[in-house]
Amino acid sequence: TQLLEQSPQFLSIQEGENLTVYCNSSSVFSSLQWYRQEPGEGPVLLVTVVTGGEVKKLKRLTFQFGDARKDSSLHITAAQPGDTGLYLCAGVFGNEKLTFGTGTRLTIIP
Amino acid sequence: DAGVTQSPTHLIKTRGQQVTLRCSPKSGHDTVSWYQQALGQGPQFIFQYYEEEERQRGNFPDRFSGHQFPNYSSELNVNALLLGDSALYLCASSLGWNRDEKLFFGSGTQLSVL
Repeated sequence: TQLLEQSPQFLSIQEGENLTVYCNSSSVFSSLQWYRQEPGEGPVLLVTVVTGGEVKKLKRLTFQFGDARKDSSLHITAAQPGDTGLYLCAGVFGNEKLTFGTGTRLTIIP
Repeated sequence: DAGVTQSPTHLIKTRGQQVTLRCSPKSGHDTVSWYQQALGQGPQFIFQYYEEEERQRGNFPDRFSGHQFPNYSSELNVNALLLGDSALYLCASSLGWNRDEKLFFGSGTQLSVL
């Protein structure tokens, strides 16, 4: 079983600040996804990255895939209360099924 | 266009009992995957159904079983419930059994085992 480590586990910041959360593995991903999950809901897919070094932007969210495809980061600019949630990375290793990290629980304080 | 729907939303059982959870996939999807999400953890893959057959399975005991019907809906059955089975059970649907890059999740069933 492949392991994905996410850091930090918890993050609480003021509205308007910037933040970065990380996802790391000792193995190479075939592809990597980021999800956001709100209380009482299932995860919602934000982005999929496939190519090493790839950068994707979704409004104020910037996703980066490491050159070696073993790590990824999510950067949020000018955080808003609506960004509050559990951010999960999930990777595909070879022919295995999607493996999720334990998540970063983000709280944006108004 | 209905998304993934799961029922019931909440369920309370006692140790040793059996439970059945239900899932209807997003319209147009033919593959259903089940995940278990314990409190404070990320979802863990249980199994995936396509064409009414279990195609892949995660590291879960045989107490966990499933079924997929001709209309693509699915059930997850758990026998001899343990306290550790308490979790949020998530169903995800996709088009094609080897296409994890486009998973749509339901809101889950919160199972509490007392």
